[in-house]
Amino acid sequence: NAGVTQTPKFRVLKTGQSMTLLCAQDMNHEYMYWYRQDPGMGLRLIHYSVGEGTTAKGEVPDGYNVSRLKKQNFLLGLESAAPSQTSVYFCASRQPGLQGYTFGSGTRLTVV
Amino acid sequence: KQEVTQIPAALSVPEGENLVLNCSFTDSAIYNLQWFRQDPGKGLTSLLLIQSSQREQTSGRLNASLDKSSGRSTLYIAASQPGDSATYLCAVISGSARQLTFGSGTQLTVLP
Repeated sequence: NAGVTQTPKFRVLKTGQSMTLLCAQDMNHEYMYWYRQDPGMGLRLIHYSVGEGTTAKGEVPDGYNVSRLKKQNFLLGLESAAPSQTSVYFCASRQPGLQGYTFGSGTRLTVV
Repeated sequence: KQEVTQIPAALSVPEGENLVLNCSFTDSAIYNLQWFRQDPGKGLTSLLLIQSSQREQTSGRLNASLDKSSGRSTLYIAASQPGDSATYLCAVISGSARQLTFGSGTQLTVLP
């Protein structure tokens, strides 16, 4: 009963480097989401997916790309990291309808 | 644009007190409302999910109410314990993709 698993848990990047954050869920959920959490800003939606092969922009999509090639995985990419992308990133998933969200434990990313 | 506000931002109470956390939202066209708990440096744990057609949900010492028409929800914690110390986040599910919009949270400290 893993739920939503995020890897890595911690990462330090230099400005301009690229990386991919992986989110995997084993609940067969259709919808998956990426959020970032910053002090004083709360959690804000970056991108989301309503099914395999689909992606859409959220509130703060700039500087990020996503892919959902398999239903169980949702990848978040940073092509050229900037210090403003220092944050804690959370992945979440849910089923369509009136179900609630299940969150992963987060990835703490620092860009120096 | 949906906005969620939580009051107070921080609360400190002695052990054993009953307490109420408040959440308000600007757009009453919501599907669900979900309360989460977040411990320092950790992920989000779902506490209660209230469907838009419901008035309240209970789980143990927790009771959450929803007044959709006035855009308000409260989380009631009975007989508080030091282990209840955490940040409590309110989030509403709305929009075409059923995305979550979070408040900034209430940081609760229960003193032994």
